[in-house]
Amino acid sequence: DQQVKQNSPSLSVQEGRISILNCDYTNSMFDYFLWYKKYPAEGPTFLISISSIKDKNEDGRFTVFLNKSAKHLSLHIVPSQPGDSAVYFCAAKDSGTYKYIFGTGTRLKVLA
Amino acid sequence: GAGVSQTPSNKVTEKGKYVELRCDPISGHTALYWYRQSLGQGPEFLIYFQGTGAADDSGLPNDRFFAVRPEGSVSTLKIQRTERGDSAVYLCASSFRTGDEQFFGPGTRLTVL
Repeated sequence: DQQVKQNSPSLSVQEGRISILNCDYTNSMFDYFLWYKKYPAEGPTFLISISSIKDKNEDGRFTVFLNKSAKHLSLHIVPSQPGDSAVYFCAAKDSGTYKYIFGTGTRLKVLA
Repeated sequence: GAGVSQTPSNKVTEKGKYVELRCDPISGHTALYWYRQSLGQGPEFLIYFQGTGAADDSGLPNDRFFAVRPEGSVSTLKIQRTERGDSAVYLCASSFRTGDEQFFGPGTRLTVL
């Protein structure tokens, strides 16, 4: 039973445009959400996070939006750059634990 | 400063053998996590340590898997009687405190023939 779902396995975007990566979850007890970026042969790198008490968090070109009623979060990258090409994972944490549940990832390709 | 390191980077073993995978966390990080990533999947939680003790081992798939962190720094993930289904990349991460940002190592790719 996949509690965190990334339904788009891949996404291609033109350089300079907006990339939108989506993530859905089923567990209403999740209280903290994160996005990680992963290059081949490397471990995931933390990008940005959001607490369940917020609906938006912004860090430079990266913005995460959380819609609790829809159990949906998204990562916006503006403007997209070729170096952003990687696999992006969303992850969620259940309140009262530090056990993180990851989605299956979305491979983003930014075309120059 | 050095990041999280994992050794070996690749491990090939035969079905039924015992393997040990090592993780060196960032110095001073008290929390350490193990994940397993199979092809086409996201990292799957196995266990995490706060200091020397396993705070949550609910992700270990069965009793063939065991992890230790005897001095609160280096951790070893031990897999007995390996099976072909154990083939995956095993990732280790550490954080300064539990709940802080996790820094991942490059992983150990385990292949069980």
